Amino acid sequence: SQQGEEDPQALSIQEGENATMNCSYKTSINNLQWYRQNSGRGLVHLILIRSNEREKHSGRLRVTLDTSKKSSSLLITASRAADTASYFCATVSYNTDKLIFGTGTRLQVFP
Amino acid sequence: GAGVSQSPSNKVTEKGKDVELRCDPISGHTALYWYRQSLGQGLEFLIYFQGNSAPDKSGLPSDRFSAERTGGSVSTLTIQRTQQEDSAVYLCASSPPGGRAYNEQFFGPGTRLTVL
Repeated sequence: SQQGEEDPQALSIQEGENATMNCSYKTSINNLQWYRQNSGRGLVHLILIRSNEREKHSGRLRVTLDTSKKSSSLLITASRAADTASYFCATVSYNTDKLIFGTGTRLQVFP
Repeated sequence: GAGVSQSPSNKVTEKGKDVELRCDPISGHTALYWYRQSLGQGLEFLIYFQGNSAPDKSGLPSDRFSAERTGGSVSTLTIQRTQQEDSAVYLCASSPPGGRAYNEQFFGPGTRLTVL
């Protein structure tokens, strides 16, 4: 079953604009991770945020986590055409050894 | 160093045939995962290996699916008597020691399986 649900399902923006994607989940988690997937093949890890963290930055990426609302957001600032991809959140619960992925957001950045 | 590799990259088979998909994890990674991704969908967990522990097979959709990991390294996912609904991209990932899924996972490029 899907733990995370991302919204929007699809997002189209112009280069230079910011892109925000949201993820909601159902159970308590140890950490939440964001991945990017190009062309429906292998995924690339972007960032991991632990349950005791509220915000994390990596380059143009900013991730927030609100455990009271069971939600996370991924912000990509000053987007580029190369950011065009699908973005997935994935959660890890305390009593499991696996990532549970959301349904993903398809981001299209137009030059 | 080398990343996770998977073979074949594409596999076309006829309904009812058996297929084997291979995954070579990153050297030294103790955890190995298999996922399935249908067209336009998220990833579906299939099976997880951690060191010498018994694998977590809770995601395997039917008894036609099985996987093994030999010598704590290479893994093979076998699908017997393939059905058209098995068509998907099968992704393998590995992660370093540290216990559980508390670390990032490194994904291979996937095998695209098409069952005619």
